[in-house]
Amino acid sequence: ELKVEQNPLFLSMQEGKNYTIYCNYSTTSDRLYWYRQDPGKSLESLFVLLSNGAVKQEGRLMASLDTKARLSTLHITAAVHDLSATYFCAVSQGGSEKLVFGKGTKLTVNP
Amino acid sequence: GAVVSQHPSWVICKSGTSVKIECRSLDFQATTMFWYRQFPKQSLMLMATSNEGSKATYEQGVEKDKFLINHASLTLSTLTVTSAHPEDSSFYICSAREPGGSRYEQYFGPGTRLTVT
Repeated sequence: ELKVEQNPLFLSMQEGKNYTIYCNYSTTSDRLYWYRQDPGKSLESLFVLLSNGAVKQEGRLMASLDTKARLSTLHITAAVHDLSATYFCAVSQGGSEKLVFGKGTKLTVNP
Repeated sequence: GAVVSQHPSWVICKSGTSVKIECRSLDFQATTMFWYRQFPKQSLMLMATSNEGSKATYEQGVEKDKFLINHASLTLSTLTVTSAHPEDSSFYICSAREPGGSRYEQYFGPGTRLTVT
């Protein structure tokens, strides 16, 4: 059974600081996703990572994937308040389109 | 990018009644859609995979007779919560993948918040 673990689950940081959210998964997968969710809203797609060593960047967010370690990271650079949200990673199950989600990381960026 | 809509965005119903939630792919055809449930401050849990023209595939622990899924066309899937109870109150989100997309992107609907009183 595929399990996805994120840490930390809660992250409070100051504006301007850097931090990393980690996503570990238990079995081989071919796709890893990062999503953002604002309170009361649905999911916004951030990144899709398809291969080992993949790195994608958008603004202050950068995601990477190490399939050998079954680990993805979401790095936040010089955080700003607008980044406050809950971030989920999700992993596809064995070639299917079904996604298993981590528990989410609630990020609060304080001015 | 592709757009997925849901209707209604929120609904309040009385215990024992049934509620239907619609999920539509607006600018693409989706042979497969997914239904998720999210309890407050929790993650998304896949409930079922909706397949156009065939029966839905339910995840373990999800009652198929309670959560009826119909994927009647390539752009519409519906989830009916039958005989709803307060414990069914949740945020229901559907998603769909645009066929042929090289990014394997899944597009999520805006969600439907169900409150059962």
